[in-house]
Amino acid sequence: AAGVIQSPRHLIKEKRETATLKCYPIPRHDTVYWYQQGPGQDPQFLISFYEKMQSDKGSIPDRFSAQQFSDYHSELNMSSLELGDSALYFCASSVRGAADYEQYFGPGTRLTVT
Amino acid sequence: AQSVSQHNHHVILSEAASLELGCNYSYGGTVNLFWYVQYPGQHLQLLLKYFSGDPLVKGIKGFEAEFIKSKFSFNLRKPSVQWSDTAEYFCAVTSSGAAGNKLTFGGGTRVLVKP
Repeated sequence: AAGVIQSPRHLIKEKRETATLKCYPIPRHDTVYWYQQGPGQDPQFLISFYEKMQSDKGSIPDRFSAQQFSDYHSELNMSSLELGDSALYFCASSVRGAADYEQYFGPGTRLTVT
Repeated sequence: AQSVSQHNHHVILSEAASLELGCNYSYGGTVNLFWYVQYPGQHLQLLLKYFSGDPLVKGIKGFEAEFIKSKFSFNLRKPSVQWSDTAEYFCAVTSSGAAGNKLTFGGGTRVLVKP
C-alpha cells in the first residue's frame, strides 16, 4: 500500500539558511499534519491543512510557513534556521471524516543545522 | 487543552518478561487514543488505537491496551517481550468527533529489552 512520502530524508543546513521540506500524502488523503521531534523529545504538532486551507496551528515559529497544494502535497518552509531547529520533522496524512481518525506517518526528514 | 502523561521515561527488562506502560490523559470530552512505537532511527508506527466499543484493544506484535474511562488511562501491555521490542513508545490522543485534529503525544517511554 502507498505510504506517506517525505523528501528529503536528510538535510544539513547552516545557521540563517532556509530549508524546504516536502510531504506527499497517501492518495485520496485530504489532510496533512506536520510534527517536529527534537532529540530525545516527543513529537510536537506544528500545523495542519485540510483541502489546502490551514486547519490547525500549534507551536510553529513565525520563521516557518507551510502550505498545501492542489495535488494535496505540502511543503514546510523554514527560514533563518537556528541550531535549535535541528530535529526530525514528520508529516502525517489522514482522511477527514474517516471513522478511525488515524494519521499515517511518513519516515520523516532529519534536519541538522550547523 | 488536552495533555498526555506517560508514567515511566525508561524501562529495562529481560526477554520473556511482561511489559506494562502507563498512560493517562487529560481532556474534558471524548477522545481517541493511540499507542505508537518508534524503533531506533525509524518513524512512528501505529501499534493500536481505541475509538469506541470494547475497551480492551488488541494491536500488532502481541500488544494490547485497556481503556479505563474512570481513570483516564490507556495502559499498554505485552505478556512476553522480545529483544526486538526495544524501542520508544508514545501514547497519543486526539479529541473525538473532530476529524482532522492534531495528535497530542505523551513524553514517550524508552524500553530496553535485554537478551
